[in-house]
Amino acid sequence: DQQVKQNSPSLSVQEGRISILNCDYTNSMFDYFLWYKKYPAEGPTFLISISSIKDKNEDGRFTVFLNKSAKHLSLHIVPSQPGDSAVYFCAASGETGANNLFFGTGTRLTVIP
Amino acid sequence: NAGVMQNPRHLVRRRGQEARLRCSPMKGHSHVYWYRQLPEEGLKFMVYLQKENIIDESGMPKERFSAEFPKEGPSILRIQQVVRGDSAAYFCASSPDGQTQYFGPGTRLLVL
Repeated sequence: DQQVKQNSPSLSVQEGRISILNCDYTNSMFDYFLWYKKYPAEGPTFLISISSIKDKNEDGRFTVFLNKSAKHLSLHIVPSQPGDSAVYFCAASGETGANNLFFGTGTRLTVIP
Repeated sequence: NAGVMQNPRHLVRRRGQEARLRCSPMKGHSHVYWYRQLPEEGLKFMVYLQKENIIDESGMPKERFSAEFPKEGPSILRIQQVVRGDSAAYFCASSPDGQTQYFGPGTRLLVL
C-alpha cells in the first residue's frame, strides 16, 4: 500500500525555468513532510521540510507548498540549474509516532542547459 | 561534523552467507533508522532504534534480519542466510530529534 505517491517518474525542464515536482499522500495522520534529492550511488540528501501547521516553507531556490485538504504537496525549484538534475523523493511521517518516513517512488528531474 | 557513515559501501555475498552492515550516526544523533531500496522503487522503512533499544521494527522481515544499536559503537544491520531477493541498497539515517533524518551513502548488497 503506497501511502505516498509521486505520479510523474520523470520531468525535464530548461535551465533557468521553474521545476515543479508533485507528491500526493493518502494518510491524513501524516504531519511532517520532507523532500530529498538523490544522485546515483549516493544516499538521499535532505532538501527542505514542512510541518502540517504551515502551508509554505521557503529556503533559497526551493519552496515547498502543502495543501492538507487535497493531501498534496509540491516542491518548486526556481531558477532550475543543471546541477539540480537528480531523483527527488517526497517523504512523510507522523502516523505512528515512531517517526519512520514513508517515501514516494521518486521523480527524476533533468535540467537541460 | 561528519555525516552519517556506512560501511562497507559495497558487499557481495553468496546465498546462505551472512551480511553485516554498519552505520555510524552523526555526532549527537541518538535516533537511527534503516531503510531498504529495491531497484526502481522508493526507500522502505525497516527499523528504528535508539541507543540499546529497538523502538519500531515493523518494517523488518520476520526472519533472518536483525538490528542493534549498542551503547558503544555503530548500529549493525545483520542479515543471516542471505538470498538473492536481499540484493538491494540499504540506507541508514540518523536524527537529532526524531524528525528530520539525514542519510548515509548506503551499502549496496549483491547476493550471488
